[in-house]
Amino acid sequence: RKEVEQDPGPFNVPEGATVAFNCTYSNSASQSFFWYRQDCRKEPKLLMSVYSSGNEDGRFTAQLNRASQYISLLIRDSKLSDSATYLCVVRGPGAGGTSYGKLTFGQGTILTVHP
Amino acid sequence: DVKVTQSSRYLVKRTGEKVFLECVQDMDHENMFWYRQDPGLGLRLIYFSYDVKMKEKGDIPEGYSVSREKKERFSLILESASTNQTSMYLCASSNRESHQPQHFGDGTRLSIL
Repeated sequence: RKEVEQDPGPFNVPEGATVAFNCTYSNSASQSFFWYRQDCRKEPKLLMSVYSSGNEDGRFTAQLNRASQYISLLIRDSKLSDSATYLCVVRGPGAGGTSYGKLTFGQGTILTVHP
Repeated sequence: DVKVTQSSRYLVKRTGEKVFLECVQDMDHENMFWYRQDPGLGLRLIYFSYDVKMKEKGDIPEGYSVSREKKERFSLILESASTNQTSMYLCASSNRESHQPQHFGDGTRLSIL
């Protein structure tokens, strides 16, 4: 089983649609969670961190379910500019008592928003 | 804004050459990372460093080494480049705290002929 698993898509949605991406992770000791966005031939950029209570940033809502080891990203009112690959990212526990755990990236979910 | 700068956007080298990829960050971050990204495989961690002169192997360290002589600079070295090391290489840095995200450079697209 992959450490971080995402549906690769592609998701093709019209402008204005609501779309949801899911992600599961295998290590129950994982410490922190993020969604990154990557445009074609560019570097990944942080979209948002994911907090235990769930969090919202404008049209984007992230949820975390530690019991089910599941993370989600909801995009409302999709824009053409939302077209990108969305990467689910999980930080594992630190080694040897340190706080810095390794990040593991999902393979990404491709989103295309069309007019 | 965090700035992570990679020395080259595109690089072409020959098999057997020793290749240096440089990365500099300006946010006084303790942690620095080197990844490669390949179609269908996603981002894979090669090496990381959590302090000057400290390094840890990632998931795919074979054929690579790293150097961290100064806090702001993290170098990736391909000792003897091979064609299977043709890839997009991404450097990242982060603060020490576990909840802090990583910030990426623009990437270096390396081709080994």
